[in-house]
Amino acid sequence: QVRLVESGGGVVQPGGSLRLSCATFGFSFNTYGLHWVRQAPGKGLEWVAFTGEDGTTFYADSVKGRFTISRDKSEKTLYLQMNSLRTEDTAVYSCARDPLAYQPYYLDFWGQGTLVTVSS
Amino acid sequence: EIVMTQSPATLSVSPGETAALSCRASQSVNTHLAWYQQKVGQAPRLLIYAASARATGIPARFSGSGSGTEFTLTISSLQSEDFAVYYCQQYRSWPPVTFGGGTKLEIK
Repeated sequence: QVRLVESGGGVVQPGGSLRLSCATFGFSFNTYGLHWVRQAPGKGLEWVAFTGEDGTTFYADSVKGRFTISRDKSEKTLYLQMNSLRTEDTAVYSCARDPLAYQPYYLDFWGQGTLVTVSS
Repeated sequence: EIVMTQSPATLSVSPGETAALSCRASQSVNTHLAWYQQKVGQAPRLLIYAASARATGIPARFSGSGSGTEFTLTISSLQSEDFAVYYCQQYRSWPPVTFGGGTKLEIK
């Protein structure tokens, strides 16, 4: 069955970096788009970034220039490199699958998420 | 950026009754709208896409309607497992993909 499993979260100081991973299982990695979405404690869902099967990327303005989304076809894994982290980046980060391979659409399967805490 | 507004923020309904959750877009999204359910401590689950198409495995008591800027998620014969937070999301215009702020459906 379709599964997405995030890892790499933790506590980091403001200005620091972290790389999140999302291992995928049960579907053809190369034929779906993939997203990162975050949820601050007690808050709603906020879209972060998307990557298409061809490597096309889109970002929310709040993370553009600081975060980089990428995908490794051989490992069937999605990544989010987060640099220059701010306290407002504190959230649970989830990866999600998109049934459309080349542009953002809706998100049909989600992972459980990994918590990133930015604090001094 | 298309802003999605959900109302009410909290909706109290008795089991067995019908709940109607509203989602409004700041500009037309045609029918490029999805609904998600999120229970405490769980990942969101896709309920509805294309405004009215039920996702695989979603019970028929969940229905979506609307187009343009006004949308409704209707849940009939509410069951205990339906009490959760619901989000709408537009995918007509991006970036960014945008979500509504959510409606918490609670037991009356």
